[in-house]
Amino acid sequence: KQEVTQIPAALSVPEGENLVLNCSFTDSAIYNLQWFRQDPGKGLTSLLLIQSSQREQTSGRLNASLDKSSGRSTLYIAASQPGDSATYLCAAKKTSYDKVIFGPGTSLSVIP
Amino acid sequence: GAVVSQHPSRVICKSGTSVKIECRSLDFQATTMFWYRQFPKKSLMLMATSNEGSKATYEQGVEKDKFLINHASLTLSTLTVTSAHPEDSSFYICSAIRSINSPLHFGNGTRLTVT
Repeated sequence: KQEVTQIPAALSVPEGENLVLNCSFTDSAIYNLQWFRQDPGKGLTSLLLIQSSQREQTSGRLNASLDKSSGRSTLYIAASQPGDSATYLCAAKKTSYDKVIFGPGTSLSVIP
Repeated sequence: GAVVSQHPSRVICKSGTSVKIECRSLDFQATTMFWYRQFPKKSLMLMATSNEGSKATYEQGVEKDKFLINHASLTLSTLTVTSAHPEDSSFYICSAIRSINSPLHFGNGTRLTVT
């Protein structure tokens, strides 16, 4: 059974700092992994989707990597801004028809 | 692109009444839609998977007669919470997917409060 964990549960950094959020999954046989952002009381916004054949994806200041052999994905945020403050969730999908398993999320606060 | 609209964003209802929540994919046809429930400071719990024109697949422990899901078209799925009770109060979120290789796109959620 796939389990997804995220460390740390909460993170507070000063504005401008680069940071890394971690996501671990127990079953390395994944189809894809997706990173999301959730603002309080809102739905989820898709940030990056990495297919199992890919090692990383980039969008603006965000870079997500995937290492299936170690069961890990990281989300790198460059030059953090207060507007990046939110909860970040990763989600792993085992096969094309499987449901997505979400991690518990990392709550990020970027201090001005 | 890939916008999912969920309505209403907030609803307050009395115990015993039913509430319908709509989820629409505005600019794409969704082969599959998903319904989640989220408790405070917790991650998302998948309730059911809905494919257009077929019966929804419910996760273990989710009462299908309590949470009725209808997916009548490729752009609309509805979740009806029947005979709502205070313990049904929660944040409900839908998501939609264009194809199996596509990313999940979420609605903005519905805050349900049952008094």
